[in-house]
Amino acid sequence: GQQLNQSPQSMFIQEGEDVSMNCTSSSIFNTWLWYKQEPGEGPVLLIALYKAGELTSNGRLTAQFGISRKDSFLNISASIPSDVGIYFCAGQPRWRDDKIIFGKGTRLHILP
Amino acid sequence: DADVTQTPRNRITKTGKRIMLECSQTKGHDRMYWYRQDPGLGLQLIYYSFDVKDINKGEISDGYSVSRQAQAKFSLSLESAIPNQTALYFCATSRGGEIGELFFGEGSRLTVL
Repeated sequence: GQQLNQSPQSMFIQEGEDVSMNCTSSSIFNTWLWYKQEPGEGPVLLIALYKAGELTSNGRLTAQFGISRKDSFLNISASIPSDVGIYFCAGQPRWRDDKIIFGKGTRLHILP
Repeated sequence: DADVTQTPRNRITKTGKRIMLECSQTKGHDRMYWYRQDPGLGLQLIYYSFDVKDINKGEISDGYSVSRQAQAKFSLSLESAIPNQTALYFCATSRGGEIGELFFGEGSRLTVL
């Protein structure tokens, strides 16, 4: 079946640094999504991307839908302690198919 | 109050026992989902429902069953729990149309001894 390869699996960075993570697939996706999960909570949507090449920002977060439709990245600028958590990419492999597939997550740690 | 509520939040049970996890929502969404989260494995779809009369299997439905009692309620059952079903379970909803925006509950942590 279709899979999303998310990297890196974990990151340790200094507060104030920029962060970059990405997600790739061997097949085409029609929608790319980025979620964040904090301890003890369910994932929350950060950014949704619906068109190839689309670049979208949400505060310090920026995400792009790759031209090939097989990849997406998420950048976080000037990281702060509350950015700690697990970031998931997710995608919808076929139009109007609600079987959204999730990557395995990137766990972000921020060092003081 | 949370829009998507899961009960119980934590449950410890023994192998072979029947377990039901319940989900209720006040968002008015037609679509509801059950996901399973294991460390390092992301979220895997167990079952999903587009309305009360529509139930669909996800990626890992074996060993699980669901019931959509009403638009607002979607329960997940483990008929005979086994240790490898120890995981964090999430219920989610979406309104459809706005593709991709899933609203998650806070999760139910299940431990099978």
